[in-house]
Amino acid sequence: AQKVTQAQTEISVVEKEDVTLDCVYETRDTTYYLFWYKQPPSGELVFLIRRNSFDEQNEISGRYSWNFQKSTSSFNFTITASQVVDSAVYFCALSNSNFGNEKLTFGTGTRLTIIP
Amino acid sequence: GAGVSQSPSNKVTEKGKDVELRCDPISGHTALYWYRQSLGQGLEFLIYFQGNSAPDKSGLPSDRFSAERTGGSVSTLTIQRTQQEDSAVYLCASSQRGGGKNIQYFGAGTRLSVL
Repeated sequence: AQKVTQAQTEISVVEKEDVTLDCVYETRDTTYYLFWYKQPPSGELVFLIRRNSFDEQNEISGRYSWNFQKSTSSFNFTITASQVVDSAVYFCALSNSNFGNEKLTFGTGTRLTIIP
Repeated sequence: GAGVSQSPSNKVTEKGKDVELRCDPISGHTALYWYRQSLGQGLEFLIYFQGNSAPDKSGLPSDRFSAERTGGSVSTLTIQRTQQEDSAVYLCASSQRGGGKNIQYFGAGTRLSVL
């Protein structure tokens, strides 16, 4: 069975501070995929990033960066110099590579509030 | 269209009535997914379509829930004899093809309220 844990339910930081959202996953598969999605107040889940289990390189996209560590089964997300527009609920998700079993298993989400 | 489109955006119904929720995926996407988001249960998978067939229906919570997809495009999720616990946001997603590596793109959802 697959499981994703986002232990931080809510985080509030002052604008321009850096913030890290934690994600820990469980899977028995050797090939799997990890995702982060952003859900702003409008409700639509917005795709941010996908990593596969064989690529542990960290990734940076503008103010966003992701740290994938298989040794600790973690896929953490850092926002640098946070902005009010970053306020949203962020979900970490996991899928495996098997056709016919494509579903995403989501964590419970972290509500991030950036205080101006 | 440019993104996944869901209708209606909001639906209020009385307990015991049937409802239909519609999803129009991104053009050309062969895979389509339904999820449910509720306060107590988070984001739960309901059903997955590849083309018009549904290889994975494991998330449908009861036989009151059914879904179909026609023409490899539009999908309808039907809930019969709605109950108050069905109140949730129903999200649809599509991806270019099946397979867990493919990115799922989500619609804005249908917020269902059962009175």
